[in-house]
Amino acid sequence: GAGVSQTPSNKVTEKGKYVELRCDPISGHTALYWYRQSLGQGPEFLIYFQGTGAADDSGLPNDRFFAVRPEGSVSTLKIQRTERGDSAVYLCASSISGNSYEQYFGPGTRLTVT
Amino acid sequence: DAKTTQPPSMDCAEGRAANLPCNHSTISGNEYVYWYRQIHSQGPQYIIHGLKNNETNEMASLIITEDRKSSTLILPHATLRDTAVYYCIALDLGAGSYQLTFGKGTKLSVIP
Repeated sequence: GAGVSQTPSNKVTEKGKYVELRCDPISGHTALYWYRQSLGQGPEFLIYFQGTGAADDSGLPNDRFFAVRPEGSVSTLKIQRTERGDSAVYLCASSISGNSYEQYFGPGTRLTVT
Repeated sequence: DAKTTQPPSMDCAEGRAANLPCNHSTISGNEYVYWYRQIHSQGPQYIIHGLKNNETNEMASLIITEDRKSSTLILPHATLRDTAVYYCIALDLGAGSYQLTFGKGTKLSVIP
């Protein structure tokens, strides 16, 4: 079946602009996660949704970052007033339930802030 | 979650077994050992996990020492497509937040 998909695959934006990154999880997966990966590093956790609610947002670096999952399926990661340090690959993952470390990752969105 | 230590890189000849070590000397009784890998330009991929018994699936085998302070991921017949960064992570299933904490992993290069 279809895996996790993320759009766009690449996004270039200017410093100070607003961006939205989309994640379509595997159908039927109730849990959804966002991670960020900088060059040469492992992915870092940002936020975890169980259904529509953010169960853990402790990884969001500051209040410029926000994520929603209004219908418990698709999620959008929103970044306001982008900075060059936000440049990274943003990864989305889903799992069949909220109590699982078996997470299925999408290919990521490469964000470049110029 | 317990800290894990992995060698930064390893080479393996194509067709041979790749044995990737991981040290987790401070692992607690509730923590499982999980392995993921990340092929270049792709998202991480779950491989296998275990608590104290050895585990095998279609991708790999996981051998955990009796004292649980270390483990080895075995790819029995490595192919070029197994070239990737392999992450060993110790995770507590009772922690309540199922975030994965990745270290730097081991970059495995399978050589033709």
